[in-house]
Amino acid sequence: NAGVTQTPKFQVLKTGQSMTLQCAQDMNHEYMSWYRQDPGMGLRLIHYSVGAGITDQGEVPNGYNVSRSTTEDFPLRLLSAAPSQTSVYFCASSWDRVRTEAFFGQGTRLTVV
Amino acid sequence: SQQGEEDPQALSIQEGENATMNCSYKTSINNLQWYRQNSGRGLVHLILIRSNEREKHSGRLRVTLDTSKKSSSLLITASRAADTASYFCATDALVGTNAGKSTFGDGTTLTVKP
Repeated sequence: NAGVTQTPKFQVLKTGQSMTLQCAQDMNHEYMSWYRQDPGMGLRLIHYSVGAGITDQGEVPNGYNVSRSTTEDFPLRLLSAAPSQTSVYFCASSWDRVRTEAFFGQGTRLTVV
Repeated sequence: SQQGEEDPQALSIQEGENATMNCSYKTSINNLQWYRQNSGRGLVHLILIRSNEREKHSGRLRVTLDTSKKSSSLLITASRAADTASYFCATDALVGTNAGKSTFGDGTTLTVKP
């Protein structure tokens, strides 16, 4: 049972490049979410999904797109990377939004130069 | 804007001592959860306490919730070096822009010296 798997673990991008951060879970969870964590800070919600085909914006959605074509996968796309998007990105999944524990991936450390 | 805020920002204790960290929030909540994050890793769930509960225990962890003061505390008893980590509270507001979403504070960094 792998839980939540994020790839890649590390990535360096040039300003203006695009890329997709992958997230997959094998627990059949309906709810998935993406957070970013800046140094010394907590997690801020970027986008979330309550099920396949349904996504919504979180606290800091600008510059990011998501889609949810299957229950298992929830990729995060950076459209045109900016230095302000340098951060550690975490994907999480749970049975529902807030009433049960969330399982987190190990994170993707992204640097935009 | 963040719903939960942890206090203190950093805490350093000796192995065997108890560690207490607090979380305050602004609006009424359904649940409050505590997570641990080891350096460079993802978050791991510790305890969920519902708004109608006042105290929960899990091993060496004790969580209290005071909805009248909009605050929660996490107590780690008989701390170990392996407890060194950052601890975050996550709340879900009943109303407002954060309603129905888990909102995290900036965390308390705990260092347990052997």
